[in-house]
Amino acid sequence: QKEVEQNSGPLSVPEGAIASLNCTYSDRGSQSFFWYRQYSGKSPELIMFIYSNGDKEDGRFTAQLNKASQYVSLLIRDSQPSDSATYLCAVKEAGFQKLVFGTGTRLLVSP
Amino acid sequence: DAGVIQSPRHEVTEMGQEVTLRCKPISGHDYLFWYRQTMMRGLELLIYFNNNVPIDDSGMPEDRFSAKMPNASFSTLKIQPSEPRDSAVYFCASSFGGAIEAFFGQGTRLTVV
Repeated sequence: QKEVEQNSGPLSVPEGAIASLNCTYSDRGSQSFFWYRQYSGKSPELIMFIYSNGDKEDGRFTAQLNKASQYVSLLIRDSQPSDSATYLCAVKEAGFQKLVFGTGTRLLVSP
Repeated sequence: DAGVIQSPRHEVTEMGQEVTLRCKPISGHDYLFWYRQTMMRGLELLIYFNNNVPIDDSGMPEDRFSAKMPNASFSTLKIQPSEPRDSAVYFCASSFGGAIEAFFGQGTRLTVV
């Protein structure tokens, strides 16, 4: 069974702080890694993806990947109350289109 | 583009009844996915199609669940008979070929009483 593990949270951070969200995966064949954000009652939306080891930055968001450790993380700098949501980690195997999701980490950013 | 359209948005049904969920993918997308989301199990892939053909249905929980995609613009997920444990939010998503992003519909919240 291919698994993607996340701490369910909630992770509480004050406004302006850095939020660090973590994810581990079991399948070494995984090639692509995604972070989706899901507001309560809404559908997931893609915010970041990463293929290669190292860091990828997009605005306030940084995705980090370590394939040897099978570990993916998402850093949110200068957290805002509007970042409060559930963050879903997902992985995809090479040659396959399906995404396997973790159960998500709930992030709460307090003003 | 209107995005992925699902109907109904909410469905309440009695145990034993047949339930049909509907999805219209984004025009031009050749992959369609059905997911189920619950608090306990998160977002689980049930089945996905490529060019209207089912590719992987290993996530379909049991024979009570069936999915069809008669054409490129329409798919259904049917549960017959429904049970209370089927209560969840069902999402449909679509993507194009090797594109990175799968776009999700707004979901159908199913409650079986």
